Amino acid sequence: SAVISQKPSRDICQRGTSLTIQCQVDSQVTMMFWYRQQPGQSLTLIATANQGSEATYESGFVIDKFPISRPNLTFSTLTVSNMSPEDSSIYLCSVTWTGSYEQYFGPGTRLTVT
Amino acid sequence: ELKVEQNPLFLSMQEGKNYTIYCNYSTTSDRLYWYRQDPGKSLESLFVLLSNGAVKQEGRLMASLDTKARLSTLHITAAVHDLSATYFCAVGFSNDYKLSFGAGTTVTVRA
Repeated sequence: SAVISQKPSRDICQRGTSLTIQCQVDSQVTMMFWYRQQPGQSLTLIATANQGSEATYESGFVIDKFPISRPNLTFSTLTVSNMSPEDSSIYLCSVTWTGSYEQYFGPGTRLTVT
Repeated sequence: ELKVEQNPLFLSMQEGKNYTIYCNYSTTSDRLYWYRQDPGKSLESLFVLLSNGAVKQEGRLMASLDTKARLSTLHITAAVHDLSATYFCAVGFSNDYKLSFGAGTTVTVRA
């Protein structure tokens, strides 16, 4: 298993600003993902964070809006840029390993944009 | 496009009775997940089902998978208040590890 932490746990931000969310894992992992959970909704995959290369984004998500970094095998960041109230969501990172079927989720970052 | 459908979306359970949540998916997959989410919390892994006919049980929860029908069920036996939560199924693939989630089933257990 993995212990995953996210910072910040929650934040209230003004429209037009940006917020960077950190995801830290206590052990090296192969795969890291970022998901969004809008209020009362299910989870939607934003992107796969690739170590040492550009993230792979899902349809409807773009790098300019959600830049992602993954400098090593235990850490990733997601930035929500030029925020609008529609970006108010919980953002979760998840991790797994090549060959594993288990996938673990971080505690989430609850973002409110006013 | 992969579709994952859960039903019901809301389930009001009476303590002591049995209930089933259904998860249908549209594309062949090699892994099916069930997660639990309590309000304001992250996701807790309940089960991972990897093969046709797989059945896993933990306490009052039992999950099964029928890959031919593209159907998984989560059966709750003798519901208790502690089981009140939102339950998600998710479909995954061994080639890219991405998960596609169902809409979730919000369960409320009443006395």
